[in-house]
Amino acid sequence: KQEVTQIPAALSVPEGENLVLNCSFTDSAIYNLQWFRQDPGKGLTSLLLIQSSQREQTSGRLNASLDKSSGRSTLYIAASQPGDSATYLCAASGANNLFFGTGTRLTVIP
Amino acid sequence: NAGVMQNPRHLVRRRGQEARLRCSPMKGHSHVYWYRQLPEEGLKFMVYLQKENIIDESGMPKERFSAEFPKEGPSILRIQQVVRGDSAAYFCASSPPSGGTYNEQFFGPGTRLTVL
Repeated sequence: KQEVTQIPAALSVPEGENLVLNCSFTDSAIYNLQWFRQDPGKGLTSLLLIQSSQREQTSGRLNASLDKSSGRSTLYIAASQPGDSATYLCAASGANNLFFGTGTRLTVIP
Repeated sequence: NAGVMQNPRHLVRRRGQEARLRCSPMKGHSHVYWYRQLPEEGLKFMVYLQKENIIDESGMPKERFSAEFPKEGPSILRIQQVVRGDSAAYFCASSPPSGGTYNEQFFGPGTRLTVL
């Protein structure tokens, strides 16, 4: 059974810093890896999707990498802003569903 | 181009009542997924449906919970005789037919169920 872990559980950084969020998964037989953002009391916003055959994806200040063999993905956020404060979730895709980590709660301090 | 729509956004029920949660997928999407997020926990898969078919219900509790996606209309997640432990956020996601970006899922805003 797929297990997804995210470290750290919470992270506080001053505005402007670059940061890395980590995600690990136990079963490398995934179709893709998605990163989401969740604001308190809100739904999920898809940030990046990396297909299993890809190594990384970029969107603006966000870059996500995938290493299937080691069961790891990272989300890199450049030049963090207070508006980036949210919980970030990674999800590994099985055949029929997504397996989610418990998230990293990010706070960017102005 | 509307995204995934869920209603109601908030639902309050007393123990023993029934809860009906609705989900309208994105236009052109034929696959619907339901997930549950318990307080302070991650999202857990419940069920995967296509029109008129349940494909995978391995995450559904064995009793009181059911889901459908009829030929016409939204997908419905039904919880009978709710208990306090059912209080959670229920999220629906949809994806296009297989092919292209396989299994990319787009999420709705969720329904927050509170059982008194």
